[in-house]
Amino acid sequence: DQQVKQNSPSLSVQEGRISILNCDYTNSMFDYFLWYKKYPAEGPTFLISISSIKDKNEDGRFTVFLNKSAKHLSLHIVPSQPGDSAVYFCAPHSGNTPLVFGKGTRLSVIA
Amino acid sequence: GAGVSQSPSNKVTEKGKDVELRCDPISGHTALYWYRQSLGQGLEFLIYFQGNSAPDKSGLPSDRFSAERTGGSVSTLTIQRTQQEDSAVYLCASSPWDRRDYGYTFGSGTRLTVV
Repeated sequence: DQQVKQNSPSLSVQEGRISILNCDYTNSMFDYFLWYKKYPAEGPTFLISISSIKDKNEDGRFTVFLNKSAKHLSLHIVPSQPGDSAVYFCAPHSGNTPLVFGKGTRLSVIA
Repeated sequence: GAGVSQSPSNKVTEKGKDVELRCDPISGHTALYWYRQSLGQGLEFLIYFQGNSAPDKSGLPSDRFSAERTGGSVSTLTIQRTQQEDSAVYLCASSPWDRRDYGYTFGSGTRLTVV
């Protein structure tokens, strides 16, 4: 029973365009949502987070949108750069419970 | 140290042998987590430690898996009588407990291959 679903295993985007990565969740108790980025042979690195009391959080080229009623969040990267090519994980949690990770979306940014 | 350190980075073991994986968290981080990532899968939670509290072992897949954290710092994950399905990348992470927006800092992982 997957609490966190990232339904697109992969995404290919042209350099300079917008990348949109999606995440759906089922647990309405989740109140903090994080995005991680992972390069091969490295551990995941924290990218951006959003609290359930907000619907948008922006940090440079990265923006996360949260739609609580739809239990959906998305990560927008604009403009996309070749160095953004990595696997992106959505990871929410509630209270002091551990992060629950989706299976990830592999983003390829083509120059 | 500056980051989370894991050793070894790679481990190949024969089925049925025991293995120990080590994690050195960031100094001052009171919470420590173990996850694993099998091929094509997301990160699966195994266990976490917070300060002197009893660890949350709810993610351990079987009683062959155990972990300890000595002195609130270094942690060791032990897998007894390894099986081929244990092959995965084992990731350790630490965090300051009171920063929920901060996320975890992960190590580079130990790639375990059971042959």
